[in-house]
Amino acid sequence: DAGITQSPRHKVTETGTPVTLRCHQTENHRYMYWYRQDPGHGLRLIHYSYGVKDTDKGEVSDGYSVSRSKTEDFLLTLESATSSQTSVYFCAISGTSRNTEAFFGQGTRLTVV
Amino acid sequence: TQLLEQSPQFLSIQEGENLTVYCNSSSVFSSLQWYRQEPGEGPVLLVTVVTGGEVKKLKRLTFQFGDARKDSSLHITAAQPGDTGLYLCAGGSGNTPLVFGKGTRLSVIA
Repeated sequence: DAGITQSPRHKVTETGTPVTLRCHQTENHRYMYWYRQDPGHGLRLIHYSYGVKDTDKGEVSDGYSVSRSKTEDFLLTLESATSSQTSVYFCAISGTSRNTEAFFGQGTRLTVV
Repeated sequence: TQLLEQSPQFLSIQEGENLTVYCNSSSVFSSLQWYRQEPGEGPVLLVTVVTGGEVKKLKRLTFQFGDARKDSSLHITAAQPGDTGLYLCAGGSGNTPLVFGKGTRLSVIA
């Protein structure tokens, strides 16, 4: 299994609070991604990174920001959590290009109350 | 925007039956991947196909990439309860990240 660790695995937070999710990899892969998975919508890309300090927006980036200060860590921040951001969040990595095989973490279940 | 449509959305079958799920698009992809996801886990890559008309087999699973590289199918022979899960297809092309379909949720009943 690819070395990807997401933390926390579960979180409950209140509306309006900032939340940061962490993704840590031990594979030295260049590309890292954040997805959210919701019933009826499948996996939707939030943001991705193609190198340290190099990031780009995905399909559903509003209300989210990311940072990558080291190859191994990719942080996703919900600036002011809303109930619509209740979801399961997955981090993924890939090595060769933006659209080669992706390896996923185990997910973070976030509930905004 | 590239889209991948998967069908059927849900499938419930008896152990031992055969099934096929489909992944279709109006766009051409340079590669197409299939993943399986079990409850509480992240998706796990099953296979990648890159050549139009390519067929790959993984035990009882057969994957085919359409000649025009716009569609793919996954056929499972003699399904078993361990095949239960969410099957996702994903397409890649150019310099853009993978596009995922919404998945087919398969339930195999013993």
